[in-house]
Amino acid sequence: AQSVSQHNHHVILSEAASLELGCNYSYGGTVNLFWYVQYPGQHLQLLLKYFSGDPLVKGIKGFEAEFIKSKFSFNLRKPSVQWSDTAEYFCAVNAEQGGKLIFGQGTELSVKP
Amino acid sequence: DAMVIQNPRYQVTQFGKPVTLSCSQTLNHNVMYWYQQKSSQAPKLLFHYYDKDFNNEADTPDNFQSRRPNTSFCFLDIRSPGLGDAAMYLCATSRGQGSYNEQFFGPGTRLTVL
Repeated sequence: AQSVSQHNHHVILSEAASLELGCNYSYGGTVNLFWYVQYPGQHLQLLLKYFSGDPLVKGIKGFEAEFIKSKFSFNLRKPSVQWSDTAEYFCAVNAEQGGKLIFGQGTELSVKP
Repeated sequence: DAMVIQNPRYQVTQFGKPVTLSCSQTLNHNVMYWYQQKSSQAPKLLFHYYDKDFNNEADTPDNFQSRRPNTSFCFLDIRSPGLGDAAMYLCATSRGQGSYNEQFFGPGTRLTVL
């Protein structure tokens, strides 16, 4: 069965620190990859997505992610985090025609001002 | 703004008492999804509608049902809630059913079962 693994459950950083959140998936075929963010009290919203082409994708709010097919990974990065980036981040994979998203367990990011 | 709306945001029910959660969308999307998210876990797809076609996930308990009376509305019915059904329930929509379609999420309804 397909699965998505996010290695860090809770990450605490100071403002201006660099961020990298890990995401690995298990599926041997073609995948579409997503990172969603959920700010406190708000709904899940899309940060970025990868379908094909350049494996380095840029999203909103200065986030980017790199798809490394050989490692089955899609790690999220940001060079310098802000307090407003405090949120929960979910990696998700869609590998089926039916559009079924498989989510990771989420990583809670706390940024200290 | 076009959006996905869920009502109520918080719902308290008693063990075994049927409850209905509501989702509406102004995006005019063809597909509507219901996810269950328990504390510290990943959202898990329960079922989805592509237009009027209902697609149930194999491991969704029979206790969970859904209705989609029109394009805009979709309901989640829990016939006899148990303590284990306490969770956040997320509604999402997408334009199409293929894997390239971005899903748009509502704010969720947090269900408490007493």
